[in-house]
Amino acid sequence: EAGVAQSPRYKIIEKRQSVAFWCNPISGHATLYWYQQILGQGPKLLIQFQNNGVVDDSQLPKDRFSAERLKGVDSTLKIQPAKLEDSAVYLCASSSRGISYEQYFGPGTRLTVT
Amino acid sequence: GEDVEQSLFLSVREGDSSVINCTYTDSSSTYLYWYKQEPGAGLQLLTYIFSNMDMKQDQRLTVLLNKKDKHLSLRIADTQTGDSAIYFCAESITGGSYIPTFGRGTSLIVHP
Repeated sequence: EAGVAQSPRYKIIEKRQSVAFWCNPISGHATLYWYQQILGQGPKLLIQFQNNGVVDDSQLPKDRFSAERLKGVDSTLKIQPAKLEDSAVYLCASSSRGISYEQYFGPGTRLTVT
Repeated sequence: GEDVEQSLFLSVREGDSSVINCTYTDSSSTYLYWYKQEPGAGLQLLTYIFSNMDMKQDQRLTVLLNKKDKHLSLRIADTQTGDSAIYFCAESITGGSYIPTFGRGTSLIVHP
């Protein structure tokens, strides 16, 4: 079974630029999550999708961050414009409907904002 | 303060047992998890325990839960150099969507 795929693996941008990350969850997993992991900290949830609907986006800074999962499979997370404090690893995870407590994580995208 | 607290570093000799400790604050925690993160990789779910259990064993891993003290531990028997990684403790609460709240992680260093 293929794992959660993410791209790109690394991205360096200047502040005020835009950036987008892509995630492909495990086949058949209805729930998809985006986490932000700042260096030295544990991951923090940004947004959770169930199929193509948003379940929880209470921690997403909506003035600059957006995410979509239009067909209930792949998802993109966008930051526009980026700030220095957005430097972090962005992790995507997925879980199946019946076993939401078992989340499978992708390798992450490391973003550096200069 | 942090909802989930862990010590930041642990150093052990290869072949010894490692014990990583964690405390949490939410008494309505349903599941408690241990994740492993190797350099440059995402998080791997190692094991989890339901809050009505005291202990769970899975091969070299033993999880102990003291619900009264809100204390969770992960014991790795016969620690190997491949166990070197960051270990995250996490909790999710009753009625939630099983979104884990993570600690800062404990960096385990295994030396020969």
